[in-house]
Amino acid sequence: LAKTTQPISMDSYEGQEVNITCSHNNIATNDYITWYQQFPSQGPRFIIQGYKTKVTNEVASLFIPADRKSSTLSLPRVSLSDTAVYYCLVGDGNTPLVFGKGTRLSVIA
Amino acid sequence: SAVISQKPSRDICQRGTSLTIQCQVDSQVTMMFWYRQQPGQSLTLIATANQGSEATYESGFVIDKFPISRPNLTFSTLTVSNMSPEDSSIYLCSVERQGAGANVLTFGAGSRLTVL
Repeated sequence: LAKTTQPISMDSYEGQEVNITCSHNNIATNDYITWYQQFPSQGPRFIIQGYKTKVTNEVASLFIPADRKSSTLSLPRVSLSDTAVYYCLVGDGNTPLVFGKGTRLSVIA
Repeated sequence: SAVISQKPSRDICQRGTSLTIQCQVDSQVTMMFWYRQQPGQSLTLIATANQGSEATYESGFVIDKFPISRPNLTFSTLTVSNMSPEDSSIYLCSVERQGAGANVLTFGAGSRLTVL
């Protein structure tokens, strides 16, 4: 399984755009890139998934360069409620997901 | 997406006892996954539970310690046996989200166990 590397923590002020970059140098051809969000005392929640280029939904955007060795989760205009741990995972769906350490985002008023 | 109910939501247990966690899904699913999240840590996969077959355990987890049942396509249990304080964790059940892409999981809220 491809290993992912993310910053341990990030701080941001409310209203700013936050970009969290994940490195996955050993990503395989069939792997997708998936991001989850976890609030305290809750299970992780799926945010967004992509294979290449850019994906956007109502919550976030995911940017994936052509070599797919990294990806960037972009959260527009964060609020205090976006304070959470964000996990980047890669996999092809045929093996169970392995969670890394994630990025702890703290949004400050 | 599926709705997952876990019981208990939290419990305080004595060393040496066992506790069974239940996971109920509101739709039929092929695979169910059990994760553990120790305090301040990320999630670690314990095992994958398929209906009608024995669970597949990840390295470091054994059936004697974490027996799993999967009697039908909507229900599974995880037992934490002969507990020690090191077993104090949140235990999470998850399923693949139907009709979504690969690796899209829905998680229950978790069962927070404290072992004294």
